[in-house]
Amino acid sequence: ILNVEQSPQSLHVQEGDSTNFTCSFPSSNFYALHWYRWETAKSPEALFVMTLNGDEKKKGRISATLNTKEGYSYLYIKGSQPEDSATYLCALSAGGTSYGKLTFGQGTILTVHP
Amino acid sequence: DAGVTQSPTHLIKTRGQQVTLRCSPKSGHDTVSWYQQALGQGPQFIFQYYEEEERQRGNFPDRFSGHQFPNYSSELNVNALLLGDSALYLCASSLVRTGNQYFGPGTRLTVT
Repeated sequence: ILNVEQSPQSLHVQEGDSTNFTCSFPSSNFYALHWYRWETAKSPEALFVMTLNGDEKKKGRISATLNTKEGYSYLYIKGSQPEDSATYLCALSAGGTSYGKLTFGQGTILTVHP
Repeated sequence: DAGVTQSPTHLIKTRGQQVTLRCSPKSGHDTVSWYQQALGQGPQFIFQYYEEEERQRGNFPDRFSGHQFPNYSSELNVNALLLGDSALYLCASSLVRTGNQYFGPGTRLTVT
């Protein structure tokens, strides 16, 4: 059974703060690591898919890094804004397939206070 | 271009009843996956359908079954509902060759 862990569970920051979260996963049978942003009452939105050790992806003020050898990924948000408030989920594709199931962590709930 | 749509949005059922949830994939997608999200947890994989067949299944009992239609839309059926089946049910669609999954907004099922 794959175990994907996210920390912290929740985070409160002030507008303008930079923040980061961690996703830990078993490094065996790794295929891809996905990050999603999920705002209340909306659909989870894909942020990044990363497959290679050392991958770094960036989208505006949000970036992510991947270390498949030690089994972790970091998500960074620079200069947090209230609209960044959401649950951030990471998910693992494993077993040599990109089109198989995603195994999710429990999510990090981010609240950005104005 | 419509994204993934799900119906209904909310549903209340009684223990022992049966329920059917529906999903229309993003235009051009051929694969549909279903996830259950219980309170305080991440989504858990139920199963995935491609070419009208179940290609992969998570750790869910046989009370959970599904179907994919020729137009790629899908249904999730749950029989003999238990209180513990109360959850948000998410549908995700993808192309089998790329695998990036796009999610719908979910159906909130409450079993009383």
